[in-house]
Amino acid sequence: AQSVTQLDSQVPVFEEAPVELRCNYSSSVSVYLFWYVQYPNQGLQLLLKYLSGSTLVKGINGFEAEFNKSQTSFHLRKPSVHISDTAEYFCAVRPTGFQKLVFGTGTRLLVSP
Amino acid sequence: GAVVSQHPSRVICKSGTSVKIECRSLDFQATTMFWYRQFPKQSLMLMATSNEGSKATYEQGVEKDKFLINHASLTLSTLTVTSAHPEDSSFYICSAPGGTLSTDTQYFGPGTRLTVL
Repeated sequence: AQSVTQLDSQVPVFEEAPVELRCNYSSSVSVYLFWYVQYPNQGLQLLLKYLSGSTLVKGINGFEAEFNKSQTSFHLRKPSVHISDTAEYFCAVRPTGFQKLVFGTGTRLLVSP
Repeated sequence: GAVVSQHPSRVICKSGTSVKIECRSLDFQATTMFWYRQFPKQSLMLMATSNEGSKATYEQGVEKDKFLINHASLTLSTLTVTSAHPEDSSFYICSAPGGTLSTDTQYFGPGTRLTVL
């Protein structure tokens, strides 16, 4: 079985400041890793994904994440956030060879002026 | 890119009635689709896997007779909430693997907000 832990339920940050949203996972098999963003009353939009290769993955909207196998982490970062980045961010894993996604509980990013 | 649509986006119904939610893959075919339920300020919980041409696979604790799933074609899956009650009020989201567009990524619909009075 897989599990995903997002320790921070809410992260407040000022505009133009850097941010890191943490994600740790547990799995007995190899997994693919994903970050999704959800704006209010909307579905999920893929930010980025790690399948293989370089452990530093760049996504949309200036976000990037680094896969750390030894620490089973996939933290999301952005060097300078905008007000429009205010949203809910979900980390998810999917065992290779399967299609089911397992989501973390989400982190609400609140960007203020 | 891969687009998944849902209809309706919002529905309000009376207790005891049934509600049908449609999920469509607009520019790709999906033999499998997933239905999730999301409570306010919580994560997505997988309810069931919809399989084209065969029965849906339900997650533990999900009532299959209450949440009827039909995968009518390679681009359409429907979720019917039968005899809806206020506790069924929630945000329902579907997703589909991108198929030939991207076998490793799921694409999500915009969600349907169900309110049962």
